Amino acid sequence: DAGVIQSPRHEVTEMGQEVTLRCKPISGHNSLFWYRQTMMRGLELLIYFNNNVPIDDSGMPEDRFSAKMPNASFSTLKIQPSEPRDSAVYFCASSLTGGHTDTQYFGPGTRLTVL
Amino acid sequence: KNEVEQSPQNLTAQEGEFITINCSYSVGISALHWLQQHPGGGIVSLFMLSSGKKKHGRLIATINIQEKHSSLHITASHPRDSAVYICAVRFSSGAGSYQLTFGKGTKLSVIP
Repeated sequence: DAGVIQSPRHEVTEMGQEVTLRCKPISGHNSLFWYRQTMMRGLELLIYFNNNVPIDDSGMPEDRFSAKMPNASFSTLKIQPSEPRDSAVYFCASSLTGGHTDTQYFGPGTRLTVL
Repeated sequence: KNEVEQSPQNLTAQEGEFITINCSYSVGISALHWLQQHPGGGIVSLFMLSSGKKKHGRLIATINIQEKHSSLHITASHPRDSAVYICAVRFSSGAGSYQLTFGKGTKLSVIP
């Protein structure tokens, strides 16, 4: 299996622009997670999907952030409008069931820079 | 408040040394994960623990539920072990039950 695939790997954009990050989970995995990593705050969970349904979005920082999972093999995280403080590495991870004992498999991350 | 504390923040060791990284948490958990983040940024899950001890190669992870504490040990450390090691927990109750809460990480450098 190719593992979790994220695109793009790097994104540089200007403040105010819309940014869309993409994730393809491991085939057969039913749970998908979006995380953000910054130097100041470390890794933080943004949103968690199970069977394509958002279960917990309490980590989404504000209305500028939205995430969708239209099918089992694709998810997007959108930031509109982007701000410099959104600069971070965004990781997508998937797991088989999302259960408490499940291993999460991380994608390579998208490094976002907002100028 | 659900908190995860790791120590030390930074650790430098000579090749061959035995290494211990600690993780403490504030309330009851259902699972604890140890992750490794390589210098290039990729994250790999090393262990998932809910009790006891697990071993994989030179890595050993233990957890003491009563003391709310876990340790990650590396025996015969090697420069390729240089990475950031992150502890993440799933708390047992409330809004955190689906979430992983992460420690700030321990940056390990193993010198030849």
